[in-house]
Amino acid sequence: ETGVTQTPRHLVMGMTNKKSLKCEQHLGHNAMYWYKQSAKKPLELMFVYSLEERVENNSVPSRFSPECPNSSHLFLHLHTLQPEDSALYLCASSQGRTRIRSGNTIYFGEGSWLTVV
Amino acid sequence: GENVEQHPSTLSVQEGDSAVIKCTYSDSASNYFPWYKQELGKRPQLIIDIRSNVGEKKDQRIAVTLNKTAKHFSLHITETQPEDSAVYFCAARSVYNQGGKLIFGQGTELSVKP
Repeated sequence: ETGVTQTPRHLVMGMTNKKSLKCEQHLGHNAMYWYKQSAKKPLELMFVYSLEERVENNSVPSRFSPECPNSSHLFLHLHTLQPEDSALYLCASSQGRTRIRSGNTIYFGEGSWLTVV
Repeated sequence: GENVEQHPSTLSVQEGDSAVIKCTYSDSASNYFPWYKQELGKRPQLIIDIRSNVGEKKDQRIAVTLNKTAKHFSLHITETQPEDSAVYFCAARSVYNQGGKLIFGQGTELSVKP
């Protein structure tokens, strides 16, 4: 138990469906992340939220839409995905950096296995 | 941009032998280097980390070394055991990195044979 909880753990969706992945952290962190992990590929950073503000979007297609309503919750809204989007989506949190202080390490959730059919 | 290269991609050792995984980073402003272990079907978990003001850190059978001049860092596992079998990821973070994001290496699949 790392204090980062993701739901659902497994999701199968059609290309025309709309679904959402949810992440909740109970660690008091102020930064949250979405990473994508495909087979035989490194962890790819998708989005970074710091203090509920999106600070980075790594050229992710618009069919992925993140939402961070508060520092404890992060969503990834999915719409008209493609089969190649099938992957493990990992949420993570950390006590993110400020311009003055160094941040701490990232803690991952268990991930949501997404299959697009 | 920021980039982390990790080698080898696969590593097979006999139980009791040592294993070494190496990473290089491109951003000279990187100052934090964690290592994660990911067992099959599970989340990546932090096993050890090192900051740029330290050259080496050890925790039981695991050690990490950092060479800032050469911009590379390594994970050393001694007296390997079958339960060490997993995918290991190195990562780096820049001091200028707002939000604290980590850039990961490609991963090394370690197999420890009994």
